Amino acid sequence: DSGVTQTPKHLITATGQRVTLRCSPRSGDLSVYWYQQSLDQGLQFLIQYYNGEERAKGNILERFSAQQFPDLHSELNLSSLELGDSALYFCASSVVSNTEAFFGQGTRLTVV
Amino acid sequence: KNEVEQSPQNLTAQEGEFITINCSYSVGISALHWLQQHPGGGIVSLFMLSSGKKKHGRLIATINIQEKHSSLHITASHPRDSAVYICAVRSRADSNYQLIWGAGTKLIIKP
Repeated sequence: DSGVTQTPKHLITATGQRVTLRCSPRSGDLSVYWYQQSLDQGLQFLIQYYNGEERAKGNILERFSAQQFPDLHSELNLSSLELGDSALYFCASSVVSNTEAFFGQGTRLTVV
Repeated sequence: KNEVEQSPQNLTAQEGEFITINCSYSVGISALHWLQQHPGGGIVSLFMLSSGKKKHGRLIATINIQEKHSSLHITASHPRDSAVYICAVRSRADSNYQLIWGAGTKLIIKP
């Protein structure tokens, strides 16, 4: 158990819908990162938050947004979903940016 | 050419064999990570290295900064080691945590 909790584990939704993925970092970790892994693809960095503020942005679509709350949990919002958004979405956390990151188990999103 | 190259892409071995997975990178790095992704998709961080060697149980990771190369070794391999092993580096030029990922090595250990 990495200490990073992601919910839900699985999510099936229809095209055009909006979903919210949740991540609770390890206790004491200030940085949260979101990654997308499409079928048979590597992990793509989406976005990083540090202590409530956006720190870095990767290949995140405009239809996607995220935030980190005062209690340090983070949410990734995916809207106007398309079939191609079906993927595993991972959250990772670390104490600060240059320390080891620990991954959650991922949320498997299926858009039908 | 990818900035992080792993070899082999696929590896099948018998239980008990000594396993080596290689990772070469072309950028200056501040850290290198080895991660394990299980068939169900979950990712586990195995090691974070910036120099030398680390050992955890049957797993050993080494890094040679001058040669820009790292290896992950598994001793006395077991079917439960079957997974995808991913190498990822953090570029020294990037102060944020944007890892550059290798494509992964799919390891199958047969009983």
